[in-house]
Amino acid sequence: DTEVTQTPKHLVMGMTNKKSLKCEQHMGHRAMYWYKQKAKKPPELMFVYSYEKLSINESVPSRFSPECPNSSLLNLHLHALQPEDSALYLCASSQQGLGLGTEAFFGQGTRLTVV
Amino acid sequence: TQLLEQSPQFLSIQEGENLTVYCNSSSVFSSLQWYRQEPGEGPVLLVTVVTGGEVKKLKRLTFQFGDARKDSSLHITAAQPGDTGLYLCAGVLNTGNQFYFGTGTSLTVIP
Repeated sequence: DTEVTQTPKHLVMGMTNKKSLKCEQHMGHRAMYWYKQKAKKPPELMFVYSYEKLSINESVPSRFSPECPNSSLLNLHLHALQPEDSALYLCASSQQGLGLGTEAFFGQGTRLTVV
Repeated sequence: TQLLEQSPQFLSIQEGENLTVYCNSSSVFSSLQWYRQEPGEGPVLLVTVVTGGEVKKLKRLTFQFGDARKDSSLHITAAQPGDTGLYLCAGVLNTGNQFYFGTGTSLTVIP
């Protein structure tokens, strides 16, 4: 089982709304990631959690707030977003911290539209 | 400046043709992965290469890791419309703990 599940698949939200994106994996992976992707561009790293602790924050605005309740779950809380935040948000996981032969597995993404 | 540069950026070919996508860097990577992504979906892992000079085959796809572990290539034989998508290389630096994506190659195979 190499599945990473993201919900919802699509989300439309207003600039004053608060919403959350969810990600779940049951592969026993201890590293989980959030990426943001614009059309036909490579994913851009936002956050990395390693052993349920935030290890990398790529200078992401505070309107994006990650949370890792346990080793299988990763959330991304959204508040006061801007239209330019509209994108595909991808969750990924890997067996451990990045190293030799590390493979990252991605979810199907959440298509977010901010209106 | 991207750590991993892919070429070409866009590629449109007829069904049945062969193609090669390149992923180049001046840095040494401990491993490289290739992903294919369809619109609105997440990237799907195709292969991981670890050893310099390694060649892996996946049906009509052949992946090669450079001897110096700085570059990789993906060759597709007899392309089919189902091969259409965004191809991404990605890797972990030999000296670090960051996972870097390449600039991407958008492939369209015309029936």
